[in-house]
Amino acid sequence: EVTLMEAGGGSIAAGGSVRLSCAASGFNFGINVMSWVRQAPGAGLEWVAGIRTTGGTILYADSVKGRFSISRDNSRNTLHLSLNNVRVDDTAMYYCVRGMYGGSDEYWGHGVLVTVSS
Amino acid sequence: QSVLTQPPSASGAPGQNIVISCSGSRPGPIIGPYGVTWFQQFPGTAPKVVIYSSDRRPSGVPDRFSGSISGTSASLTINGLQAEDEADYYCASWDTGLNFRAFGGGTKLTVL
Repeated sequence: EVTLMEAGGGSIAAGGSVRLSCAASGFNFGINVMSWVRQAPGAGLEWVAGIRTTGGTILYADSVKGRFSISRDNSRNTLHLSLNNVRVDDTAMYYCVRGMYGGSDEYWGHGVLVTVSS
Repeated sequence: QSVLTQPPSASGAPGQNIVISCSGSRPGPIIGPYGVTWFQQFPGTAPKVVIYSSDRRPSGVPDRFSGSISGTSASLTINGLQAEDEADYYCASWDTGLNFRAFGGGTKLTVL
């Protein structure tokens, strides 16, 4: 069974940092593109970042470029998202996603909540 | 970055057919190599794929759900609406020109 388990969320002050993790199991993590998508409370979905299989290609949304960093550890089947210099509008549920381009095998974790206070 | 536009709300009675549109500000994402993905999201849960590659349905999704493309717009059709279809629906596509995944703003579907 495919599982994506996010962790690391919580409440942080504006300007602070937090690192999210996503533990993957039930599939061959190393051959899958992975990404993060967020959803602010009561709002729609927003793509945040993506990383290809070896980490050689990394892409970010303009809204987080220079502040967030995505990485992966294929030996531990884990995806990370480091959030630095966070802002109040970074408050959202952050979802770990297998895939990025769309496809029948796209799968989303349950999400982890990050709340940024001023 | 590219934007996909959806109507904020839609509604229909049980048994009716409903169409949700998704139009692109740039033609690339809609007619690009990856097509359009449609997600269904219930409150408090993660989105789930109901249509991928614009018109393909994952196993386990009822055949009442179908997708199509016309020009620079995509559509999700739900035939024979059921109460359990009440949810938020999002379209998404990959913009190969901008290397960016665009999401529509979402459509809240109400079954009357």
